[in-house]
Order: sequence, then C-alpha cells, then structure tokens
Amino acid sequence: EPEVTQTPSHQVTQMGQEVILRCVPISNHLYFYWYRQILGQKVEFLVSFYNNEISEKSEIFDDQFSVERPDGSNFTLKIRSTKLEDSAMYFCASSAGRGAAEQYFGPGTRLTVT
Amino acid sequence: GQNIDQPTEMTATEGAIVQINCTYQTSGFNGLFWYQQHAGEAPTFLSYNVLDGLEEKGRFSSFLSRSKGYSYLLLKELQMKDSASYLCAVRDKNSNYQLIWGAGTKLIIKP
Repeated sequence: EPEVTQTPSHQVTQMGQEVILRCVPISNHLYFYWYRQILGQKVEFLVSFYNNEISEKSEIFDDQFSVERPDGSNFTLKIRSTKLEDSAMYFCASSAGRGAAEQYFGPGTRLTVT
Repeated sequence: GQNIDQPTEMTATEGAIVQINCTYQTSGFNGLFWYQQHAGEAPTFLSYNVLDGLEEKGRFSSFLSRSKGYSYLLLKELQMKDSASYLCAVRDKNSNYQLIWGAGTKLIIKP
C-alpha cells in the first residue's frame, strides 16, 4: 500500500539554525500539507500546497517558514531560523483531492530545538 | 469562529462499547473526519461524514448531525490496541478546505 514517507525521523538543531524537513507524498496525490503537533497538544495546520503553490496557510506559517516541491516527488518544509518553540512533531500529509478526500499522514519528523 | 470540543479522556473496558462525542462550530462545514493517533505516531484515518446519519465500518461507526454541530465515534468490542487518542477534525470550505482539529480524546482501555 502506498504511503507518505518523511525524513529524518528525528532532527536536533540549535536555536537560530535552518532546518529542512523532507516528505515524499503518495505518488498520484495532488494536494500536500504540513501539520505541527507540539507534545501533548493538538494537531495544528500549517500550510497546504497544490499545483506548485501555497493554497492556504495558517497564522503559524510566518516568514520563517517556506515550502517547496523541488522535483516530482519531494515536498519540503524549511524553517529558516529555528526557535525553541518550534520544537514539535511535524507531519506531512497528502490527498488525491480536496473535498472528501482522506489525508494520508507520514510518520512525522520530531524536531528538537536546543 | 471555529471551535471543536471533545472530552479530554475516557476509560472503557475491553470488550465493551464506547462513544466519543465531538461538537463543532464552523462557518463553512464541509465534512467531519475521525482519526486515530497512537502515542508518538501519525494520525490514521478512521471515518468521514458529510451528510447526516451513521457510517459504519467494521467495529467503528461515526454519526453526524449537521443541525446540531455534533458527531460521535462509536467503538464496539473494544480491544487493548484501541487505546489511543481519537481526533475529531472538521473541514472548512471558507478556509480553503483546511482541516480544523480538536484536541483529541485519549481513550484508555482496561482489561
């Protein structure tokens, strides 16, 4: 069964450093998403991406964040200058459509900012 | 505004039935999802409701009443592996079909 993959599974970085989180969505999916979940808290939407551009972003997704689909398979989330409060689990998801379509989640990347 | 409420934690006995409720307020309702999340893992899809009524899928069923802004997830014949958080999420068409998530209900299954 096709699945969303994410690398790395765990990333430790120092405050102020840039990190890139990588995702490979399911190959025939058209919509891609990044979510964040701080430990013990709810899932929070960051951004959705379709047709090579951002279709929606939340208030959390400020100028320090960016997304890119550099080739036909990868979907990346870049955090330019990490802060302590960026420590969280970051989930990538993809879906075949927008309306009723189920979003398939990757296993997540645990980001720890020290 | 948008708001989703669900109980923080519930406890049930193996083999029993449990109902997890979710109430929501959103301006552009376009469907309600239930996801299961084991600790430290990604959410996995359980069910989707967009019309009123009950959707059954094996041991799990989900109900929706749009007029009441209410849904429940019903789990039957509980197994120990059902111990997890259950997340209610609502799709909002006025936010470009963004998923708005509840805080989740932690379900503890006891033998």
